[in-house]
Amino acid sequence: GNSVTQMEGPVTLSEEAFLTINCTYTATGYPSLFWYVQYPGEGLQLLLKATKADDKGSNKGFEATYRKETTSFHLEKGSVQVSDSAVYFCALSLNNAGNMLTFGGGTRLMVKP
Amino acid sequence: DAGVIQSPRHEVTEMGQEVTLRCKPISGHNSLFWYRQTMMRGLELLIYFNNNVPIDDSGMPEDRFSAKMPNASFSTLKIQPSEPRDSAVYFCASSPLGSGGYNEQFFGPGTRLTVL
Repeated sequence: GNSVTQMEGPVTLSEEAFLTINCTYTATGYPSLFWYVQYPGEGLQLLLKATKADDKGSNKGFEATYRKETTSFHLEKGSVQVSDSAVYFCALSLNNAGNMLTFGGGTRLMVKP
Repeated sequence: DAGVIQSPRHEVTEMGQEVTLRCKPISGHNSLFWYRQTMMRGLELLIYFNNNVPIDDSGMPEDRFSAKMPNASFSTLKIQPSEPRDSAVYFCASSPLGSGGYNEQFFGPGTRLTVL
C-alpha cells in the first residue's frame, strides 16, 4: 500500500536556525509529493509540491526535492522565523487516485525567539 | 471566493446526542473530503465524494457516522449517537477534479467537536 513516514516532533529551534524535516514514502505507483502546513487553529494549506523525480518545490523560503532513488521529500529552510511555528504534513497522491492524499503523521515545529 | 466554509466552528454536546457538521465547498470544486484530527490518531480521511457521489468511505469509523452530499455546494457529516471518543477537530476540504493528475485540496477551518 501507500504510506508516508515523517520524523516525529516536536522540533524546537531558535530563530534563524536551519530546518530539516525528514519525509519518506512508499507507493505502488509514481506519486506526486506535497508539504502542507497547519498553523494553530487553522486548516491545512498547501506549502509546496513536486510532481516528478528531481523536481524541487519551493515557497516562502521552504524547499523540498523529490528524490526517487531514496523515496524521500525532505523539507528544508535556511533560516526559520517564529511565524513558521506550525505542524507540517508530508503527503503523496497517485494519478489514478483522483485527488486523494495520503498524509504522514505531521511534525510540530516550534521556533523560539 | 470565501474558501471552504464549515459550521459550526465549535460544538459541545452530550453523549448520545445527534451531531451534524456542515460544509460548503469552494464553488466549482467537485471533489469533497471529510477528515478527522486527534492527538492520538493524527489526521484521518473519513470519506470523499467526486461529483456528489461517495467514492471511498472506508475511513468512516462505524455505523454511527454518515455523510451526504445532496448537491455540489453542500455536504453534511452526521454522528448519531455521539460518544466522547468522537471528540476531535473535523475538517472538510474541496478540490477541482481535473482531467488527470492531482489538484490541490483546500481545507476549511474545521469544527471542534467536544462530546461530554
